Formats: sequence, structure tokens, C-alpha cells
Amino acid sequence: ILNVEQSPQSLHVQEGDSTNFTCSFPSSNFYALHWYRWETAKSPEALFVMTLNGDEKKKGRISATLNTKEGYSYLYIKGSQPEDSATYLCAFPGDNDYKLSFGAGTTVTVRA
Amino acid sequence: GAGVSQSPRYKVAKRGQDVALRCDPISGHVSLFWYQQALGQGPEFLTYFQNEAQLDKSGLPSDRFFAERPEGSVSTLKIQRTQQEDSAVYLCASSTDRINYGYTFGSGTRLTVV
Repeated sequence: ILNVEQSPQSLHVQEGDSTNFTCSFPSSNFYALHWYRWETAKSPEALFVMTLNGDEKKKGRISATLNTKEGYSYLYIKGSQPEDSATYLCAFPGDNDYKLSFGAGTTVTVRA
Repeated sequence: GAGVSQSPRYKVAKRGQDVALRCDPISGHVSLFWYQQALGQGPEFLTYFQNEAQLDKSGLPSDRFFAERPEGSVSTLKIQRTQQEDSAVYLCASSTDRINYGYTFGSGTRLTVV
């Protein structure tokens, strides 16, 4: 099991504000980094699969950056909306491409 | 189907009871995975199938856990003689192109052992 850490564990954001949070992972033997969004009572949804150092991906108001040399990824939410309330999980495959090691998640609550 | 379907959604089992959790992956998805999420933690890998072959079962916590996918589609995770520490959300995921698109997860089965 690989050490994947996410911080903070939870955060509360006012509607319209922007926020970001971190995923850190082992910097050696990098293969890929996954981000998932998990809304209550729904299925975890894949947001991004990132593979290249310096990669930046965007989906609507959500974007992510990747630094494989120092072993971290940031996820940004711009202009938070109530529908962004969810737990955001990052996951790291490690030496193989299928066995994901997940962080414990960052739970985002957007207040109207 | 359109997504990964898991049943039951909730299961309460008495300690010592056997349970069976079902996963119906997206049609055509060769790879299927089971994960276990305990309260306050991230999901942890249990096992991996490619078609009907179980290629990795290293994450199964004990010999009370057994998974199968006999025809390469529907999978069942069976837990024998359930214990309180088995209480968790069990997630199933399937994939066809995980490099580009990651995994498609079901909504999970929440198992509570009392």
C-alpha cells in the first residue's frame, strides 16, 4: 500500500469563492495520478487522469496540476457552487497500472 | 448497461452470517475491481479480474473473502462468517481505458455487521 495523503481533510467554502487542496504521493516510479469526485449517495466519478509532469487539466470550473518530481497535485475549484459539495479523492497506481492507492479524501462543503 | 450497478445498496448482517454482494459492470469492460472503504478512510484494493480470470487477489483481508466472475461479466464478492470489522462500503469498478479515462465506479454496497 502506497502512502497517498490529502489535505485538508475537510473544508467549507462560501458560494462563489475559489478553493484548492492537495494530494501528495510517492515521487519515485510515477505512473499516473487519478482524481475522483464522490457526491453523497452517488458513484465516485472520474475527473482527471494525469500522467505528465507539469500537466494541467480542466473540466468546467475544476482544474488540476501535477508535479511528479516533488510528488504533489493540486485540485482547484473556481467560483464554488453548492453542486461542488462532494468528497474529492486522489489515487495513485504505483508500480502497476491497476491497483490504486487512494488518499482519504478532501470533503468540500459549499455554503449558499 | 449505462453504468456499473451494485446490489444490494445496503446490507445489514448478523455477525457470523454469510453475505454476497453483486456487481454488474459496464458491458464490454474487460477489467473489474473490488475496493473496500472503511469509515474515514480511502478505498482500499481488494481484487482484480480481467474477464473471468482473477489476476490479483492480494487485497482480500482473509480467507473469509472470496470473489468470482465466472462468465467475465457479473461479479460476486462473498464474505463468509461476517465480523464487525467487515463493516464498510464495498465498491466495484470497471474500466476499458483506464489510462485516459480512469475507472467507472458503482455506487457501492454499505455493509453493516451487527
